[in-house]
Amino acid sequence: EAAVTQSPRSKVAVTGGKVTLSCHQTNNHDYMYWYRQDTGHGLRLIHYSYVADSTEKGDIPDGYKASRPSQENFSLILELASLSQTAVYFCASSDNLGGHEQYFGPGTRLTVL
Amino acid sequence: KTQVEQSPQSLVVRQGENCVLQCNYSVTPDNHLRWFKQDTGKGLVSLTVLVHENDKTSNGRYSATLDKDAKHSTLHITATLLDDTATYICVVGDRGSALGRLHFGAGTQLIVIP
Repeated sequence: EAAVTQSPRSKVAVTGGKVTLSCHQTNNHDYMYWYRQDTGHGLRLIHYSYVADSTEKGDIPDGYKASRPSQENFSLILELASLSQTAVYFCASSDNLGGHEQYFGPGTRLTVL
Repeated sequence: KTQVEQSPQSLVVRQGENCVLQCNYSVTPDNHLRWFKQDTGKGLVSLTVLVHENDKTSNGRYSATLDKDAKHSTLHITATLLDDTATYICVVGDRGSALGRLHFGAGTQLIVIP
């Protein structure tokens, strides 16, 4: 059974529209992350959270908001989707112990037209 | 500037052959290095983690080395199978805790043909 799930798995959005990507984890992890993956590039961190009701900016937060309503759930929100936000988005979770292994969801393919 | 470089970008091998994937990085500090396998349309799955200078790990047909002086790692896949077709991603962590950042390579796309 998958410990990190994402929904939707794919989405087509229009420029200027609002998009919400959802992530749910059953690992009982405190930390959750949102990354984007672009062809030919490594994953880049957008937002992360280490406790419910709190989020932190990652390396490329512009154009994105995040929400952590509970330990299990972490959402990524694009208020005004743009063409440049077409990418695959990955959610991950980790505990706060040593080792820092992150467990990844299957990804959401977002296409903005 | 990309801090984790992987080579080759893509590789085609015949089933049963061995292959070697390379990872060079400039991340400092370099607490640990992890190799992930990403099947098409799927998430990243950890294969192995290397922590210490000159670490060597083995996980079935996958083995990896780390040279922290040279900031270089290799992933060896022995006797490849069709199911090894995937993208292999090298990731360097700058801390041993969740507060650290992970630095991702762009991946090597491996294609195994019959």
